[in-house]
Order: sequence, then C-alpha cells, then structure tokens
Amino acid sequence: EVQLVESGGVVVQPGGSLRLSCAASGFTFDDYAMHWVRQAPGKGLEWVSLISWDGGSTYYADSVKGRFTISRDNSKNSLYLQMNSLRAEDTALYYCAKDQQLAPPSDAFDIWGQGTMVTVSS
Amino acid sequence: SYELTQPLSVSVALGQTARITCGGNNIGSKNVHWYQQKPGQAPVLVIYRDSNRPSGIPERFSGSNSGNTATLTISRAQAGDEADYYCQVWDSSTDVFGTGTKVTVL
Repeated sequence: EVQLVESGGVVVQPGGSLRLSCAASGFTFDDYAMHWVRQAPGKGLEWVSLISWDGGSTYYADSVKGRFTISRDNSKNSLYLQMNSLRAEDTALYYCAKDQQLAPPSDAFDIWGQGTMVTVSS
Repeated sequence: SYELTQPLSVSVALGQTARITCGGNNIGSKNVHWYQQKPGQAPVLVIYRDSNRPSGIPERFSGSNSGNTATLTISRAQAGDEADYYCQVWDSSTDVFGTGTKVTVL
C-alpha cells in the first residue's frame, strides 16, 4: 500500500525549533520529488516547500524562506522539514505529499499523508 | 506572486452539474491540478494537468483550462461530493493553491 506517515508535530514556543518527518512506503521513494503543504485551522492549503528526487534542488514559499529547511534521506525513505524561528502564524497541520514527477517543475501531488499538527504558542 | 481566485462557495442540486472556477493571469498556459478535501481528511487529487483523472476518480469529474480561467466540473452531483475543492499551479519556482471552494449538494 502506498503510504506517507508524518510525525514530529508538537506544541512549541515562539522562536523555537522543530523537525518534522515523513516516512514513505509502497513506492520507489527516490523516483519522485516531495513536498510539504500546511493548513492552518479553518483555512486553506498553503504550499511550503519542494525537494527534488535527489535532494539537489529545493524551493520554499516566501513565508518560510530562511527559516525552514527541507531535506530527504532516500536510504531511509524519509522526508524532513527543519523548522526554526517558529511564529504563531506557523501553527498548522503539516502534510507531506508525493509529486508525480522526480524534479521541478512541480506536477500534481498524487499521494498525501494524514498530517502532523504543529502549534506555536507560549 | 501569482494568485488563484476561486468562489467561496458553490451549491448544486443532487444530480445536477457543479462548475468550480479558478481564475489566474494567463492560467491557460499552465498545468492546473484539482484536489478534493472532505472534513478531517487529507486532500485527494481529482484532476491533474487540466483534464486528466487519476485512477479511481469517477468520470463525473472533468476539467478544462483556457485563457484566464480553469474549471472543474462535477456532473450528476452526489451527496458524497460535498467537500472543499482547491486548484493548484506551479509558477515562478513555487506552487500556488487557490483560495478554495466549498461545494454544497442540496
């Protein structure tokens, strides 16, 4: 079964750091680019970041550029999001999603995880 | 930055046709993808590259894209089609989602 499972979401104080993980199974992980997408409570979807199949290319939304870092370990079929200098507006459900292609330009996101909740609050 | 505009809500009678628009500057030159999200669930891809249906998506779902507007059409609407729908494109090295449309089946 094709599956993405996110983990690492917690309550963290403003200015703090957090690393999210996404474990992939059921497909050849290093054949595809991967994304992080977030959704604030009651709000729409917001794309966060993209990484190419080999980790050689990364892209970020302006709202997280310089604070978040996307990475992957193909030997572990895992995707990561290092989140630093967290703000209240980063509070959201964070999804990892599989791209239909291996590298940018981005294509459709055909597989999504169930998400992990990050709350930034003092 | 590129913006995608969708109507906040669309209502459709059971068995009728719903059309959800996604407006963007010259969107017809881009590949548009559509997602369905039901409450408490992750999004599901329903149309990719303007008009292609993934395996398992009913033929009732179709898409088109031209000029400044892309459209998702749901034919013979069912109660199970009630959800939020989002369009998405790639522009200037970023992915962009539309504002989202809540579809209500009456």
